[in-house]
Amino acid sequence: DGGITQSPKYLFRKEGQNVTLSCEQNLNHDAMYWYRQDPGQGLRLIYYSQIVNDFQKGDIAEGYSVSREKKESFPLTVTSAQKNPTAFYLCASNAGWQSEQFFGPGTRLTVL
Amino acid sequence: DQQVKQNSPSLSVQEGRISILNCDYTNSMFDYFLWYKKYPAEGPTFLISISSIKDKNEDGRFTVFLNKSAKHLSLHIVPSQPGDSAVYFCAARNYNNNDMRFGAGTRLTVKP
Repeated sequence: DGGITQSPKYLFRKEGQNVTLSCEQNLNHDAMYWYRQDPGQGLRLIYYSQIVNDFQKGDIAEGYSVSREKKESFPLTVTSAQKNPTAFYLCASNAGWQSEQFFGPGTRLTVL
Repeated sequence: DQQVKQNSPSLSVQEGRISILNCDYTNSMFDYFLWYKKYPAEGPTFLISISSIKDKNEDGRFTVFLNKSAKHLSLHIVPSQPGDSAVYFCAARNYNNNDMRFGAGTRLTVKP
């Protein structure tokens, strides 16, 4: 079964702690993305990566960091510098130019 | 700076009638446009796409129209069914760097 997995589905953290969200894909896609969804604001791009060992900031990268050491994996770290981290986080990938974006099931992060 | 805009947060139609969801964009670097359907706490699922070299693409009950001069696209669903009730996101890809931007979404409710 090809697809994108994100774990866990729900994540709780105390304020001031860093937390890393997992995203793995077995679709052999080069490009991977992280989005954040807040009520009424749609999907906002945090970071994206076109290829291993390369990534670019999206619209709201402040307070987040990523790595792309393997093609299959694109973990997102929500740092303590992110002022409002509670949100629904979506990971996605695509095969390249003019191809659809596939999404994972999402992780809901709640910072207490 | 929101590059993809969906100005209608919600739309309600009667079963069997046509649903028209609208989307506007500002970036002339976008060359590929997509529509996604999303249920709460799940990742979006791909519906239909259109390349900038076309002005219409049809897939069953779903048709996407692109008006490049107006930087506007629309999704038509006909006939609408109660199972179509969801949030619909418009997305656009920048051919220059392959990043993808989403609108804020339109919540469609199809009443029986």
